[in-house]
Formats: sequence, C-alpha cells, structure tokens
Amino acid sequence: DTGVSQDPRHKITKRGQNVTFRCDPISEHNRLYWYRQTLGQGPEFLTYFQNEAQLEKSRLLSDRFSAERPKGSFSTLEIQRTEQGDSAMYLCASSLYSNNEQFFGPGTRLTVL
Amino acid sequence: AQTVTQSQPEMSVQEAETVTLSCTYDTSESDYYLFWYKQPPSRQMILVIRQEAYKQQNATENRFSVNFQKAAKSFSLKISDSQLGDAAMYFCAYRSASNTGNQFYFGTGTSLTVIP
Repeated sequence: DTGVSQDPRHKITKRGQNVTFRCDPISEHNRLYWYRQTLGQGPEFLTYFQNEAQLEKSRLLSDRFSAERPKGSFSTLEIQRTEQGDSAMYLCASSLYSNNEQFFGPGTRLTVL
Repeated sequence: AQTVTQSQPEMSVQEAETVTLSCTYDTSESDYYLFWYKQPPSRQMILVIRQEAYKQQNATENRFSVNFQKAAKSFSLKISDSQLGDAAMYFCAYRSASNTGNQFYFGTGTSLTVIP
C-alpha cells in the first residue's frame, strides 16, 4: 500500500505518561502535516514539515508536544505528561510541494485515562 | 485567521436523490483553494473535490459538484444520485494560495445519512 500510514492506530495511556506516534507519508511527498481532531470537530492544524524542516507550529502545540521528521521521511509526534484533554484523533497528512491536495492517514486515536 | 463554517451538523438524503451541503468561509485573501473532504466512519479522509478561487467555473467530479460564490464566500457541495456509500462526515476546508499558507482550515463537518 502506498498511502499514508500511522502507528499505532489506537493508544490508551494514563495521565502523566508520555506517548509517541509515528507517521509514514507517501514516499515522494516532501510536505507532512499533523492535525488533531476531537469528537464533533474538524481537524485542527498542529504543525507542518517541509522535508526535515519544521516550518509552522500552531499555538495549539504546547510545550508538551514535540514533532520531528529526521531525514525528511517519517515523522514522530510526542506528547509528554499527557492530560485528559489530549484525548483525540491525531491525523497525519502528506502532500507534494507543487500539489495542494493533502493525503490523510487513518489516524491514531489517543485515550488518556 | 481564516474560519470555515458548516452550519448543517447533520443532513439526510434518500438514495438516488440530490443533496446540497453548505459551507461558508471568511478570508481577506483573494487567492486560495477550497476543498471538500469525506470521512467515512472509522476510515481515513479522502478528497472529494477541489476548487481554485481564481477559477470562475465550478468544479465537477462525476456525481459531485460545487457552487462556488466568491463574493458571498460560499462553497456548497452538491451530491447527485446519492448512493449508500456516500454516507460519511463531509468537511469543507480552506487553504491559502500564498507560499506561507500551508495549513488547512477545516469546518466542523456535516454528517450525511443516506436512506435506502
């Protein structure tokens, strides 16, 4: 399958624990995006990479959140000291530089107990 | 910041009939892109249709078409000959055409039910 993949698909954790999610974009896509989606809402932008450079970060991305994209391939999103308010679906999307269409992954659903 | 509003949380349509989903947006920019994405239950989002703001002609993709009214900042989606597989959440999205405008702004979605 050549689509965007995310791992894990589901994560349940206790408040205060750290979690890390992975996103593998479509191989030739140089742009990668992270979004958060809560129930009944549309996706909210978190951050954006062009190749390995993190070029934009939303104010939603608190200090407890960090994202990386080493070597411009896969990306990781880490949440430290999780809070119940972090419970959401975390979506990854990728696109070509010259194309406006974003291709979304299936998401990682995080539940913080 | 740009905002996207979908005023219909839920819509239903009889199979084979036509339904229109509404979307309005707020921006001060003149060049941008608008999208409709479909999110089936427990499945990933896929692009339904895309419209460039500089194009006057409304985009069409098979049974899906848009009514883009730039002055009114309105971007509705029409689904013709509705099928059971069209049941999903539909999100309207906006993206700036500027080099620095990389993020998408999404509406809150419209849940579409197709009645057999």
